[in-house]
Amino acid sequence: AQSVTQLDSHVSVSEGTPVLLRCNYSSSYSPSLFWYVQHPNKGLQLLLKYTSAATLVKGINGFEAEFKKSETSFHLTKPSAHMSDAAEYFCVVSEINSGTYKYIFGTGTRLKVLA
Amino acid sequence: DAGVIQSPRHEVTEMGQEVTLRCKPISGHNSLFWYRQTMMRGLELLIYFNNNVPIDDSGMPEDRFSAKMPNASFSTLKIQPSEPRDSAVYFCASSWAGGTYNEQFFGPGTRLTVL
Repeated sequence: AQSVTQLDSHVSVSEGTPVLLRCNYSSSYSPSLFWYVQHPNKGLQLLLKYTSAATLVKGINGFEAEFKKSETSFHLTKPSAHMSDAAEYFCVVSEINSGTYKYIFGTGTRLKVLA
Repeated sequence: DAGVIQSPRHEVTEMGQEVTLRCKPISGHNSLFWYRQTMMRGLELLIYFNNNVPIDDSGMPEDRFSAKMPNASFSTLKIQPSEPRDSAVYFCASSWAGGTYNEQFFGPGTRLTVL
């Protein structure tokens, strides 16, 4: 069965310092993995996706994520936080099962960026 | 492409009234999702259509909620009668389920307030 665990509900970083948002998953099959960002009062926007190609995935706005099968992790990183990165981030796992796609969203991590 | 379009963006109604939320998915997408987001419960999947057919409606809270997808370019989510606890942001998302890249694209949401 699929599941997604975002290990931190809140993360605070100073502007210009690295960002690490953690995500662990479980999946019975070969999953697709995604990170979405939601700014206040906005919809969810796709940051990046992993679909069994390169294990290091680059996304928009300088974000990256590395798929580590042995650790069942898909952590999101950025070398230097910007004030505009303050938002909520969702890790998502998707797999096809009996011809139907299943999407499981994590509970979200709220990122705060301090000046 | 204009992306996923939702209307109205804001809806304020009184308890007991019927509410209809509308969604136009991205042209060419064959899957459509309705989500509800609240502070208390986070992001919840309500129902999922594939090729206009409801595949998974296990997230629909109760009989007061109904969703239809009469064609590939339009879906509605109806609440009748509405209750204050239905107050939330409702998101529609669409995707192409069948290829490698099956990420969902989200609309801007409808903020529903039931008084």
